[in-house]
Amino acid sequence: EIVMTQSPATLSVSPGERATLSCRASQSVSSNLAWYQQKPGQAPRLLIYGASTRATGIPARFSGSGSGTEFTLTISSLQSEDFAVYYCQQYNNWPPGGTFGQGTKVEIK
Amino acid sequence: EVQLVESGGGVVRPGGSLRLSCAASGFTFDDYGMSWVRQAPGKGLEWVSGINWNGGSTGYADSVKGRFTISRDNAKNSLYLQMNSLRAEDTALYHCARDHGYGSGSYYTPNWFDPWGQGTLVTVSS
Repeated sequence: EIVMTQSPATLSVSPGERATLSCRASQSVSSNLAWYQQKPGQAPRLLIYGASTRATGIPARFSGSGSGTEFTLTISSLQSEDFAVYYCQQYNNWPPGGTFGQGTKVEIK
Repeated sequence: EVQLVESGGGVVRPGGSLRLSCAASGFTFDDYGMSWVRQAPGKGLEWVSGINWNGGSTGYADSVKGRFTISRDNAKNSLYLQMNSLRAEDTALYHCARDHGYGSGSYYTPNWFDPWGQGTLVTVSS
């Protein structure tokens, strides 16, 4: 089973600053990686798929990069609505099922 | 507007059964695969099961294989999850999600999920 490891667990950032979130796969997942944002009490929202393609309606301040085992989600200038938990998900190797990372919480510094 | 609304959650004793439903609207339901993804209280996300556009291909996480059955009714724009032999560790918020995956023979391969429903809570407790 592929294990997805996100770092850091918590990221404290001031509004307007850049946030860089990392996701590492235990083996190559090519570019088969997605990023989701989840706010308290809400369902996850797709931000990025294919490692770098923004989903419909996602602001340009969100960008994804990487391939193989190392991936990054960058939020160029944090807005108040961006404080949330972010998950990565690989969908390269199934069965037994694609796996999610444990999440990175982006909080206000 | 694309909308997914889950129902059917509740409190059930260990060993019991429950059937979840997901009503879809705002898109051509039978153009897409669908999946169930769960989130235990305060925990992360776990894919549970997925199904291709016509129900001919399905997939399950090892943790639920043999106990859960996914199905769909395209005439009703609905997705279902029959959960049997429930365990305490199945306690979670269950989301249905539109899935960009595909069927390969009888097996379903999920991809990314967009959008997600708000979820229905399943609590397994004596």
